[in-house]
Amino acid sequence: SAVISQKPSRDICQRGTSLTIQCQVDSQVTMMFWYRQQPGQSLTLIATANQGSEATYESGFVIDKFPISRPNLTFSTLTVSNLSPEDSSIYLCSVGGRENTGELFFGEGSRLTVL
Amino acid sequence: QKEVEQNSGPLSVPEGAIASLNCTYSDRGSQSFFWYRQYSGKSPELIMSIYSNGDKEDGRFTAQLNKASQYVSLLIRDSQPSDSATYLCAVPPLGSGTYKYIFGTGTRLKVLA
Repeated sequence: SAVISQKPSRDICQRGTSLTIQCQVDSQVTMMFWYRQQPGQSLTLIATANQGSEATYESGFVIDKFPISRPNLTFSTLTVSNLSPEDSSIYLCSVGGRENTGELFFGEGSRLTVL
Repeated sequence: QKEVEQNSGPLSVPEGAIASLNCTYSDRGSQSFFWYRQYSGKSPELIMSIYSNGDKEDGRFTAQLNKASQYVSLLIRDSQPSDSATYLCAVPPLGSGTYKYIFGTGTRLKVLA
């Protein structure tokens, strides 16, 4: 499986600011995703990061709040904008595994606390 | 609304026992099913996938799938304290795209030494 590195691993931010999370993969991957795990909750897919085109967002998530970049096949960023305490979560980058298996592999996550 | 349901637990089992974790899903058309293990403060780690009815064994882990009853289970034999974690069931609904999972809320397993 690919090695997935996320930065920062954790951060504390003030309300109204933004945080950008970076995801670096050690090999080229086609499918890259961003998930959110709110405290005590399971994982929810935010969007699919598409290389060379706009991200595909899931219901309830919008580009203005969660802009995503995917400049190449090994890197993506997720920005969480105009932070509120409700954005306090773990944000996880994930990549697809072997083709057509549906397997997903996750980075270590970025724990965001908004004051 | 597609759903994946798990008992949140905690499920407590003594060391050496069999731990049985269950998951039900609502989309009858789902074709692939995954179990992830998540240690506290860590990210989910894929431990099993299953695509066909029946049992699939991998070491101490056995995944069981019954599409007619819409449930998938995970058995952990000879449970060890290191198995203590939250186990997440994940199911991509039919037509959603291979990697677009719906995750259950997870079952917290505690293996008592």
